[in-house]
Amino acid sequence: DTEVTQTPKHLVMGMTNKKSLKCEQHMGHRAMYWYKQKAKKPPELMFVYSYEKLSINESVPSRFSPECPNSSLLNLHLHALQPEDSALYLCASSQWRGRNEQFFGPGTRLTVL
Amino acid sequence: DQQVKQNSPSLSVQEGRISILNCDYTNSMFDYFLWYKKYPAEGPTFLISISSIKDKNEDGRFTVFLNKSAKHLSLHIVPSQPGDSAVYFCAASADNDMRFGAGTRLTVKP
Repeated sequence: DTEVTQTPKHLVMGMTNKKSLKCEQHMGHRAMYWYKQKAKKPPELMFVYSYEKLSINESVPSRFSPECPNSSLLNLHLHALQPEDSALYLCASSQWRGRNEQFFGPGTRLTVL
Repeated sequence: DQQVKQNSPSLSVQEGRISILNCDYTNSMFDYFLWYKKYPAEGPTFLISISSIKDKNEDGRFTVFLNKSAKHLSLHIVPSQPGDSAVYFCAASADNDMRFGAGTRLTVKP
């Protein structure tokens, strides 16, 4: 299994909603990542988990809250988002953090109304 | 501050010809470079990588060249096929995490 899965594929939410994005991999990878990508822009790193511990938080607003329940799962909890948070949210995993290829999921297209 | 730049947002090539995608970086600490391909509604897919100890890496129709002194890398696709039409992202890594370029949309015409 060389796949990273993400659910849901699409999500529309209001600014007062609470929702969660989910990501799963079964490749035994020990690093997992959340990226945000706006149209015609590069993916921007939000969070990195290495061995289920949060290693980096790239100054992301607290309305985004990551969680890594185990080595295969990664969640991104969303609360009180703003319309400018509308974007494609990509999850990725790699064998370890650093110089090796990351495997990406298909992304969740988020729209905040 | 974008540390990895792909200055050509799009490239159009005839089937069978060579496609050359370019990427520049500013951080001299980067020592591992990757190219990803992305189709619509899918996540980026890893294509090929190169370490800074090399200046060339080849995998089938794909070759990546690295010029460290110019802080420049390029991806050559020969021969180009219509199925290669996608957005190509360049990425660079130091000891921690990757930074991506904004992507180049390649269109290969039959």
